[in-house]
Amino acid sequence: EAGVAQSPRYKIIEKRQSVAFWCNPISGHATLYWYQQILGQGPKLLIQFQNNGVVDDSQLPKDRFSAERLKGVDSTLKIQPAKLEDSAVYLCASSSRGGRNQPQHFGDGTRLSIL
Amino acid sequence: KQEVTQIPAALSVPEGENLVLNCSFTDSAIYNLQWFRQDPGKGLTSLLLIQSSQREQTSGRLNASLDKSSGRSTLYIAASQPGDSATYLCAVSNNAGNMLTFGGGTRLMVKP
Repeated sequence: EAGVAQSPRYKIIEKRQSVAFWCNPISGHATLYWYQQILGQGPKLLIQFQNNGVVDDSQLPKDRFSAERLKGVDSTLKIQPAKLEDSAVYLCASSSRGGRNQPQHFGDGTRLSIL
Repeated sequence: KQEVTQIPAALSVPEGENLVLNCSFTDSAIYNLQWFRQDPGKGLTSLLLIQSSQREQTSGRLNASLDKSSGRSTLYIAASQPGDSATYLCAVSNNAGNMLTFGGGTRLMVKP
């Protein structure tokens, strides 16, 4: 079974620029999550999708972050404009259902550096 | 608001030692607690998931326990090996949507 695929692996941009990350979940997984992991901290959930609908985006800074999952498969996360504090690893995870007790499978993440 | 704390933040042990990693959470109304492993530059690998009705789960040399009423979990690693060196994260789910709140992790180094 192929795992969660993310690209790019690394991205360096200047503040106020925009950036986009892409995630392809495990085939058949209806639920997709985006997390932000700042160096030395645990991941923080940004947004959860069930198929192509948003379940929870309460921790997503909506003034600059946006995410979509148009066909219920791939997802993109965008930051516009980027700030220095957005430097982090952005992790995508998927699970077979959104229900409780379903393990989440993580990709290797995109490491974002803001200059 | 759920808060998850892991102690210690870092741990270094000689190979072969048994060790315990600790996790505490403030809101005991959880659906499950999960332990993950994270290697440098990699994503998270799920190790064990304990449902709220369970007391412990075992996988190989790993044993995780859950005391929901006191808001605590431990991850026991038997006969540690250098390959166990990684960051270990615990996370709790407070709702049916399985949204996780993570602790800050324990960085483990097992020396040969």
